[in-house]
Amino acid sequence: AQKVTQAQTEISVVEKEDVTLDCVYETRDTTYYLFWYKQPPSGELVFLIRRNSFDEQNEISGRYSWNFQKSTSSFNFTITASQVVDSAVYFCALFDYKLSFGAGTTVTVRA
Amino acid sequence: ETGVTQSPTHLIKTRGQQVTLRCSSQSGHNTVSWYQQALGQGPQFIFQYYREEENGRGNFPPRFSGLQFPNYSSELNVNALELDDSALYLCASSSLTGTNTEAFFGQGTRLTVV
Repeated sequence: AQKVTQAQTEISVVEKEDVTLDCVYETRDTTYYLFWYKQPPSGELVFLIRRNSFDEQNEISGRYSWNFQKSTSSFNFTITASQVVDSAVYFCALFDYKLSFGAGTTVTVRA
Repeated sequence: ETGVTQSPTHLIKTRGQQVTLRCSSQSGHNTVSWYQQALGQGPQFIFQYYREEENGRGNFPPRFSGLQFPNYSSELNVNALELDDSALYLCASSSLTGTNTEAFFGQGTRLTVV
């Protein structure tokens, strides 16, 4: 069975601080995909990144970076120099033919 | 914007009633999935349609049903509504073609059952 664990329920930081969101997954599949989504108060899930299980390179996109470690089944997400607009709920998800989501981490960035 | 649109955005229904939610998929995507997100939780998979056939279902009762149309748009129908059906319903449009797996979501329909 697919399982995604986001141990951090809420994180609160002051603007310009770095934030790291943890994601640990379980799967028996050898080929799989991992996703991160952002959910602002409006409710829409905004796609941030997709990573397949064969690509362990870390990725950076602007202030966002992702650290994928297959050995520890983790796919962590870091926001560098956080901004108030980063305040949202962030979900990690594992894909086989469907997305299995973690419970989400609420990030609050205070000015 | 993702190109995935859902209607209506908000809906209030009475327990026991039936509801139909709609989703138009992104151009080029042939798969539509529906998710239920209760308050404070992550989205839960309801079912998925590929080329007008259901090809996967989560742990939801049969009163949750769906359709996919030739243009790949989709409907979610819920019969005999219960108070616990109150949630945000999200539609995801997907292209599940090997390395080009992607899934984009609509803005959701917030259903309140009273």
